[in-house]
Amino acid sequence: KAGVTQTPRYLIKTRGQQVTLSCSPISGHRSVSWYQQTPGQGLQFLFEYFSETQRNKGNFPGRFSGRQFSNSRSEMNVSTLELGDSALYLCASSLMGYEQFFGPGTRLTVL
Amino acid sequence: AQTVTQSQPEMSVQEAETVTLSCTYDTSESDYYLFWYKQPPSRQMILVIRQEAYKQQNATENRFSVNFQKAAKSFSLKISDSQLGDAAMYFCAYRSAYNQGGKLIFGQGTELSVKP
Repeated sequence: KAGVTQTPRYLIKTRGQQVTLSCSPISGHRSVSWYQQTPGQGLQFLFEYFSETQRNKGNFPGRFSGRQFSNSRSEMNVSTLELGDSALYLCASSLMGYEQFFGPGTRLTVL
Repeated sequence: AQTVTQSQPEMSVQEAETVTLSCTYDTSESDYYLFWYKQPPSRQMILVIRQEAYKQQNATENRFSVNFQKAAKSFSLKISDSQLGDAAMYFCAYRSAYNQGGKLIFGQGTELSVKP
């Protein structure tokens, strides 16, 4: 079974731009969660989607948004990028939200 | 709100020896799940072991085992017969059993180095 895939793997943007990251879950998994990892704040939960509905949300500003498609693929969008948004963004999929399997991450650098 | 604390930022172990990584958590919930994840330099997070809070028996996966002390809210990971490939950042994580969904709360991580 193919694992969780994330695209792109690396991304460089400038302040004020917006960015869209993509995550394809393991086949059959309906839950997709997103996390931000930074050296200072560690791993922080962004949001989770299940069957195209946002089921959980972390404490991030409204500039961070996401969605899930009928095939369970998920995208997250960050608008008006700030320097502090530079991070590794990890996506994880699971059948029901219990045991989560992570993708390789997208490294976002904001200049 | 739940919190997870890993008090050892760095640990070191000799190859073939045993090492224990500590994790404590704070919660008012009685049912939850605990996990240990490994993040090698490739940054790919790998699930090492999981524990359901309602199970008294400690989980074991090959060379990895946990010591789950529910009353003390402690969840340590023991790695036996350490191998060079065990070198990585290890994260302890908590997930509520009441909140349907995949929100994991992570500790700050422990970086494990393995000496040959």
